[in-house]
Formats: sequence, structure tokens, C-alpha cells
Amino acid sequence: SSELTQDPAVSVALGQTVRITCQGDSLRNYYASWYQQKPGQAPVLVIYGKNNRPSGIPDRFSGSSSGNTASLTITGAQAEDETDYYCNSRDSSGNVVFGGGTKLTVL
Amino acid sequence: QVQLVQSGAEVKRPGASVKVSCKASGYTFTSYAMQWVRQAPGQRLEWIGWINTGTGNTKYSQKFQGRVTISRDISASTAYMHLSSLRSEDTAVYYCARSRAHGDFFFDYWGQGTLVTVSS
Repeated sequence: SSELTQDPAVSVALGQTVRITCQGDSLRNYYASWYQQKPGQAPVLVIYGKNNRPSGIPDRFSGSSSGNTASLTITGAQAEDETDYYCNSRDSSGNVVFGGGTKLTVL
Repeated sequence: QVQLVQSGAEVKRPGASVKVSCKASGYTFTSYAMQWVRQAPGQRLEWIGWINTGTGNTKYSQKFQGRVTISRDISASTAYMHLSSLRSEDTAVYYCARSRAHGDFFFDYWGQGTLVTVSS
């Protein structure tokens, strides 16, 4: 079955730029989508497709993809961005897979 | 506005089954698929399966195959996730989420989550 690999933890200084990555074979054929999840809350979609943000998501969030790697970039990280981030994608059979999640710390 | 409202928390004994509902509003129910995802305490998101609400076709994670059934009632704009032979490891928050049925799947709206506790 397909897998998506994320770094378990990433840190960034307040106001700086951070990239969170997601690797997997399915990303060669399908875009990843990215979710922000705060403690005790349902996940929130922040990036989907090539680089699309749902309404209400700040423009400091952006996405990119190359080969088997997708990236979520936060340009000018804020204190409220400190939380967990997950990527997901699908395979050609319609199975869905989530990455293991990345805990972002804003220093 | 799009809303997914799930049924309330459940406490079940090992070996029992649970059925969680997800009522959709604010969009045409059959125009989007419904996905089911769970999250055990302190753990990652885990995909369970999805239903094409228009056709009724389903796809399940291999991990849950044989134990899970996802269904829908179009007249009630509601999707259901039934999980049987529960064990302690099934204790988790279960979410429904809307996605497209074709192309890239992105989960743009989520239910509030339903806590299922399995304990003797």
C-alpha cells in the first residue's frame, strides 16, 4: 500500500519561513492536500491541488510539488501556526493515505 | 453554508459494533463523496474508507476490510460508518469529511468528530 512520509517535528523562528515536506510514490500522479489540526479540533484544509487555498486561509500558506515530494510553505510563520500538519493523497485505486503528521514549533 | 454534523459520543464493549452518522447540509449531497477518518488519542489521522454518495460504491482501507461498512441515505443527506468486532484499539475520534469523487481527493469540510470509546 502507498505511504506518505513526513518529518515528525519542525521548528521555525517567529516571522521566518518554514517548509514542511511529504514524500510518497502516489505524489507522482496526484497532488497532496494539507491539513492543519489544532488540539481537540477537526483538521482544516489549508492547501489543495497545485497550490490552492480555501477561503479564509491566510496567503502565507502555499504549496508546491516536485516528483514524489510535496511541500507546504509558511512564509512569515506566526505563533498561531504552531500545531500539527498532515498531508494526504490518493492512489490510482481510490485508496487514501495520510502522512504521519508534522508538529510545527514556532520559536 | 456547508455543514457536516455527526452523531454523539459512544461507549461500547469489546466485540460490539458502532454506527456513526454524518448529516450533510448546505450542498447537493450526491455531488460529493464522503470519507471517513479516525484518530486514536495522540496518534495520526487514519483513513477508513469512502462512499460515492451518488452511486453507492464504496472503497475501504485494507486494514478495516471485513469490519467496516459505509452507507448513505440520500433522502436524509446522511452517511453512516458501521464498525464491528470492536476492540480497545478502536478507541478514537471518528470524522466524516467531504471530498470529490474523482481526481484529486481533498477533504474540504469535516464533521466535528465522534468519540468512540471501547472498554470493558
